[in-house]
Amino acid sequence: DQQVKQNSPSLSVQEGRISILNCDYTNSMFDYFLWYKKYPAEGPTFLISISSIKDKNEDGRFTVFLNKSAKHLSLHIVPSQPGDSAVYFCAASGYYGQNFVFGPGTRLSVLP
Amino acid sequence: DSGVTQTPKHLITATGQRVTLRCSPRSGDLSVYWYQQSLDQGLQFLIQYYNGEERAKGNILERFSAQQFPDLHSELNLSSLELGDSALYFCASSDGGDEQFFGPGTRLTVL
Repeated sequence: DQQVKQNSPSLSVQEGRISILNCDYTNSMFDYFLWYKKYPAEGPTFLISISSIKDKNEDGRFTVFLNKSAKHLSLHIVPSQPGDSAVYFCAASGYYGQNFVFGPGTRLSVLP
Repeated sequence: DSGVTQTPKHLITATGQRVTLRCSPRSGDLSVYWYQQSLDQGLQFLIQYYNGEERAKGNILERFSAQQFPDLHSELNLSSLELGDSALYFCASSDGGDEQFFGPGTRLTVL
């Protein structure tokens, strides 16, 4: 039973356009949500996070939106760049980083 | 560079064998997490240690075990290896907060 779901295995976007990556979760006890980016042959790197008390967090080109009632979050990348091409993992954790769960990932391809 | 190191980078072994993967966390981080990533699948949480003690357990097989030593480095022991254990094994560390910093991974191939 997947507690964190990313239903789109892959996504292709034209350079300069918006990339929207979606994530759904089932456990209402999750307190903190994170997005990680992973390039081939490298470990995941932290991208952006959001606490359950917020509905939006922005960092440069990256914005994460959280809809607690729908148990849904999304990552927006604007404008998308070819260097953004990677696998993006959504992750969720409980209080103090317990019960840390990753989604299966979405492969983003940004086309020049 | 996340500050987390993992050795070895690659490991090739045969079924039935036992291997040990090593992780050194970022300086000052007390928590160490182990993850398995198989065949483009998502990261599966295996186990977490905090300052030498097991804190949380995920989908870790009984053939696998881990420990964290007084100097905070951690080892993941995989025994009676099967073909399906071939995967990337990542270690991550944190200072107790929610962000984790990942090592480069160890690629295990079981033949």
